[in-house]
Amino acid sequence: AQSVTQPDIHITVSEGASLELRCNYSYGATPYLFWYVQSPGQGLQLLLKYFSGDTLVQGIKGFEAEFKRSQSSFNLRKPSVHWSDAAEYFCAVGGSGGGADGLTFGKGTHLIIQP
Amino acid sequence: DAGVIQSPRHEVTEMGQEVTLRCKPISGHDYLFWYRQTMMRGLELLIYFNNNVPIDDSGMPEDRFSAKMPNASFSTLKIQPSEPRDSAVYFCASSFKTTADTQYFGPGTRLTVL
Repeated sequence: AQSVTQPDIHITVSEGASLELRCNYSYGATPYLFWYVQSPGQGLQLLLKYFSGDTLVQGIKGFEAEFKRSQSSFNLRKPSVHWSDAAEYFCAVGGSGGGADGLTFGKGTHLIIQP
Repeated sequence: DAGVIQSPRHEVTEMGQEVTLRCKPISGHDYLFWYRQTMMRGLELLIYFNNNVPIDDSGMPEDRFSAKMPNASFSTLKIQPSEPRDSAVYFCASSFKTTADTQYFGPGTRLTVL
């Protein structure tokens, strides 16, 4: 069965500092990987996704993530965070077979931005 | 497009009552997903549909839960009877054709069962 682990429940970062959120996955074949962001009281918004090609993917709001098959990881990074980045971040994995699958999400990482 | 629309946004009900959550997916999307979010269990897939047909309902917790998609523009998730442990935020999402296509989430319905 597929699974996603986000080892950090909370992360606190100073505004302007760099950010890395960790994500490890378990999947039997080539996975499709996603990062979503959820602001309080809102739905989820896709930041970026990986399904093939270049292992470094660029997303919205200045985020990027790198797929490392050998480490089963898909960590999210941002070189300089802004106060508006404070939110809950979810990593997710989906199947790469035909059609679409429901996603399996990690428990999320709550990002706190210090002024 | 208005995005995925869910109603109601908030629902408060008493234990034993029937609850119906509604979802309108993005026009042209072939897939519709229902997820549940709780503090303890995080985001869980309940059921999803392809072209109005249920594909995988293994995430539906109990027989008290049922979902339908009578047409391409409407789906319901029903809980009967409701219990306090059903309190959660329920999200609907839709996507085009494959897992590589983005799943667009609605704003969610926050359900409280007293």
